Amino acid sequence: DAKTTQPTSMDCAEGRAANLPCNHSTISGNEYVYWYRQIHSQGPQYIIHGLKNNETNEMASLIITEDRKSSTLILPHATLRDTAVYYCIVNAKNTGNQFYFGTGTSLTVIP
Amino acid sequence: EAGVAQSPRYKIIEKRQSVAFWCNPISGHATLYWYQQILGQGPKLLIQFQNNGVVDDSQLPKDRFSAERLKGVDSTLKIQPAKLEDSAVYLCASSLMLAGGGEQYFGPGTRLTVT
Repeated sequence: DAKTTQPTSMDCAEGRAANLPCNHSTISGNEYVYWYRQIHSQGPQYIIHGLKNNETNEMASLIITEDRKSSTLILPHATLRDTAVYYCIVNAKNTGNQFYFGTGTSLTVIP
Repeated sequence: EAGVAQSPRYKIIEKRQSVAFWCNPISGHATLYWYQQILGQGPKLLIQFQNNGVVDDSQLPKDRFSAERLKGVDSTLKIQPAKLEDSAVYLCASSLMLAGGGEQYFGPGTRLTVT
């Protein structure tokens, strides 16, 4: 069962920041927040993950609230190639626990 | 670095026939996963291997699905006999970490159509 809640769909103007929210109110202390995305007809692609602190890489930023019950993935300058389904997953490392993908957020970047 | 390889990319079979999918993970990755993704849904884990041992196969329909990873490297997933509801994309993923978790790297998937 998915441990996260995400909006079904979102739109974003090209060049603007895309902010994708995720609720994970039952997250455990040892669980990380992972974000993946899936472009049409491709396998999911890892974006970023974090435990407590905010994280940034070349693709995106991850903002985790202090109570860790929610997070936001930020794509700073969305392009048409960022149109995809974005999945937020919580999972603990080295436990053998499954990744539950849920249905994700379908992001459409509009020209 | 080569990614996760899967074959075939597409397969069409009739119900009650059998089919097999092959996956070659990223070199050195101890953990291998098979997922089923039905249209409009997120991927669902079928089975997880650590080296050549099964870590989790709780969602694998064992009456018709089987999987193996004999030498701890590549893996095959078989369906016999296939049903209409098995139409889906079958994704293979691998990760460096033992016992799951961490970053998973996915292959392009095999799209199965059962008629």
